[in-house]
Amino acid sequence: NAGVTQTPKFQVLKTGQSMTLQCAQDMNHNSMYWYRQDPGMGLRLIYYSASEGTTDKGEVPNGYNVSRLNKREFSLRLESAAPSQTSVYFCASSPYRGSGQPQHFGDGTRLSIL
Amino acid sequence: AQKITQTQPGMFVQEKEAVTLDCTYDTSDPSYGLFWYKQPSSGEMIFLIYQGSYDQQNATEGRYSLNFQKARKSANLVISASQLGDSAMYFCAMREGYGGSQGNLIFGKGTKLSVKP
Repeated sequence: NAGVTQTPKFQVLKTGQSMTLQCAQDMNHNSMYWYRQDPGMGLRLIYYSASEGTTDKGEVPNGYNVSRLNKREFSLRLESAAPSQTSVYFCASSPYRGSGQPQHFGDGTRLSIL
Repeated sequence: AQKITQTQPGMFVQEKEAVTLDCTYDTSDPSYGLFWYKQPSSGEMIFLIYQGSYDQQNATEGRYSLNFQKARKSANLVISASQLGDSAMYFCAMREGYGGSQGNLIFGKGTKLSVKP
């Protein structure tokens, strides 16, 4: 009954370090998403993958890269972390991007960059 | 211009009473969907209810109902018989259309609901 699993749950980085946030879903969904949540801002889309083999930029893609490794896994990479990237990151998945089916979210990764 | 507006940063409601959380949206696309999510203090995002632009009836899910007024572009969430466990952030979100850059969710900034015993 896992749904969407994100690792790690917490991470502290120094400015300039790199890291990859991992996301996996076991619901056989085609579409996957990465969001960031900042205080008072709601959720903003970083990147999405409408289907296996495709990725596209969302609203706030600068400073990030993504990889859709297979149908289950969608990773988010910070190549050179900056304090402005301190945020809570959510991965989500849905059967298809434009459907009325809701997106299912992971529990989030709390990332602090010093 | 904001696509999704939630004008109530915070609200209080007495336990067992009903509460309405406001959401207005802005789109020129005739095909869209509206979602409500709950985020408790533990941080996870929980889907509550969905309304499609062509749906004839207002959506209901248990104690949650969506007051959909298409002409006014509003999609208010109504929680009946509030419980202490309803204390959380609530986010309204919209999906426009189906193709291209559309199809992604756009979130409002949220309303923090506090239920008083």
